[in-house]
Amino acid sequence: GENVEQHPSTLSVQEGDSAVIKCTYSDSASNYFPWYKQELGKRPQLIIDIRSNVGEKKDQRIAVTLNKTAKHFSLHITETQPEDSAVYFCAASVTGANNLFFGTGTRLTVIP
Amino acid sequence: GAGVSQSPSNKVTEKGKDVELRCDPISGHTALYWYRQSLGQGLEFLIYFQGNSAPDKSGLPSDRFSAERTGGSVSTLTIQRTQQEDSAVYLCASSLGRATYEQYFGPGTRLTVT
Repeated sequence: GENVEQHPSTLSVQEGDSAVIKCTYSDSASNYFPWYKQELGKRPQLIIDIRSNVGEKKDQRIAVTLNKTAKHFSLHITETQPEDSAVYFCAASVTGANNLFFGTGTRLTVIP
Repeated sequence: GAGVSQSPSNKVTEKGKDVELRCDPISGHTALYWYRQSLGQGLEFLIYFQGNSAPDKSGLPSDRFSAERTGGSVSTLTIQRTQQEDSAVYLCASSLGRATYEQYFGPGTRLTVT
């Protein structure tokens, strides 16, 4: 089955700096890669996703890049703000599959 | 509209007792997932329901865990003879389809086994 690894487990950045979280996956058939954000005490919410037919996707201050050859994908947050502080989970799946395989999460702290 | 709801929000139980956790998905969502989130850990897939199809139970950690989904809507996760290692937050999510659709999570049930 799919195995998703996520690094780092914790990340602290100064407000205004960029943050990068990286994930690798094992199943070359995976073609869907979402990122979920979970604020303290709240439920996970989808923030961005990418499918394997594109290499990069942007939505305002967040972007995700995908390298299919190397089987890794990354989340980039620019101009970080305190409200970006949360745990971020990457995940991978393949069309037709029943479930997502989640990484172990990255706790991002943005220091004002 | 209403999101995914779960009850109870917190449950404290003694080791060996059975517990039932409830999930109300978003109306019209055919897919329903249960996950377990242990302290500081990721989301561990437990079980998946899709419409009237047989559920995917491949993530259930032991035969003490079971789940039902009645009428294609409400789901109940049952843990029998609870153990301390069952302590975790149990999250339910629903979506319009399989894994490549956005999943909408409920607030979770925090289970503590003493």
